[in-house]
Amino acid sequence: AQTVTQSQPEMSVQEAETVTLSCTYDTSESDYYLFWYKQPPSRQMILVIRQEAYKQQNATENRFSVNFQKAAKSFSLKISDSQLGDAAMYFCAYRSPPYTGTASKLTFGTGTRLQVTL
Amino acid sequence: NAGVTQTPKFQVLKTGQSMTLQCAQDMNHEYMSWYRQDPGMGLRLIHYSVGAGITDQGEVPNGYNVSRSTTEDFPLRLLSAAPSQTSVYFCASSFASNQPQHFGDGTRLSIL
Repeated sequence: AQTVTQSQPEMSVQEAETVTLSCTYDTSESDYYLFWYKQPPSRQMILVIRQEAYKQQNATENRFSVNFQKAAKSFSLKISDSQLGDAAMYFCAYRSPPYTGTASKLTFGTGTRLQVTL
Repeated sequence: NAGVTQTPKFQVLKTGQSMTLQCAQDMNHEYMSWYRQDPGMGLRLIHYSVGAGITDQGEVPNGYNVSRSTTEDFPLRLLSAAPSQTSVYFCASSFASNQPQHFGDGTRLSIL
């Protein structure tokens, strides 16, 4: 079974600075999908960024980018120019390949709470 | 553009009561899932469905039932509520297995 580990329960960053959230995962599959979700106090689950394992290029969405290291099974999220609105819980998630019976499942890490200070 | 709609948003039950959490999506998504979120444990999959008439168990299915009679709806039933089922429940859907899941706003359920 796949597992996802987020080893940083809490992180803090100053406004306008850069912060990196860590995520590692364990899988025997070679083709899969990785996601970062943001959960603000409103409780909504908001997709931040996704990465296909077959793509070597790291995904980028505006101020959010990932460092995907497939061999190391690492998938970190970098937030640049942090803003107060970035304060939230961030979850890393793994999804199996589409040809597997478990393709609709997301396996989540335990989350990292990000605090943004002035 | 409603997306994924969960009702109710909050519910308090007594031990032993039964209830159904509703989930509906208007995006014609085939894949739907139910998760529970507990402090310090992230989201865990309860049940999922890959299409109308097809459901399967996730990581923590005990005490819950699901059915998928239509593409749009995926209700979650608590058969006999227990305090251990106090949690926040999320429903999610996606168009295809390689697409991101869209989440509802969650249901906070308390079992006394």
